[in-house]
Amino acid sequence: EAEVAQSPRYKITEKSQAVAFWCDPISGHATLYWYRQILGQGPELLVQFQDESVVDDSQLPKDRFSAERLKGVDSTLKIQPAELGDSAMYLCASNNQGNTGELFFGEGSRLTVL
Amino acid sequence: AQRVTQPEKLLSVFKGAPVELKCNYSYSGSPELFWYVQYSRQRLQLLLRHISRESIKGFTADLNKGETSFHLKKPFAQEEDSAMYYCALSGIGTDKLIFGTGTRLQVFP
Repeated sequence: EAEVAQSPRYKITEKSQAVAFWCDPISGHATLYWYRQILGQGPELLVQFQDESVVDDSQLPKDRFSAERLKGVDSTLKIQPAELGDSAMYLCASNNQGNTGELFFGEGSRLTVL
Repeated sequence: AQRVTQPEKLLSVFKGAPVELKCNYSYSGSPELFWYVQYSRQRLQLLLRHISRESIKGFTADLNKGETSFHLKKPFAQEEDSAMYYCALSGIGTDKLIFGTGTRLQVFP
């Protein structure tokens, strides 16, 4: 069964360092999302792509976060420099156009900033 | 403001007891409502959506527009229902999901 792949599963870094997360959505899914989930809270959307274009990045802290999906397939989320408050689970999800609301999530990348 | 509120962080019941996980929302318009579930060591996944009006794993949820609620119910809880449950909404025609903070359901034997 096709699944959303994410790496790394865990990342520990020191503040002010750069980190990057990778996501490979389910084949054929045009829409890709990056969510951040802080401990004890629900997922919050950071950025949404439709193919290679950004649809919504209104909640992305653009001074330190960047996201790209150059060929409209896999995606990278980068944080530079990392801050203590960035410690969270970073979730990638994808969905099939027309199937509103059913997002398929990856296992997530857990970031700890020391 | 668009918001989903799940007032209970933890709900503990015994096997066979009825379960109701509360969800209230705030949205200017007609949203679509969903319940997502995350079992231990598994991915977050869709449980049900209000437009389908179906029962999944014995769970149902009715959208009450007057009370702006979308509570999740099951008449007889099972141990395998133990999980984290998230209520979520999206605007009609959009895919952007807004999640609540989640409720952990513990079903004891």
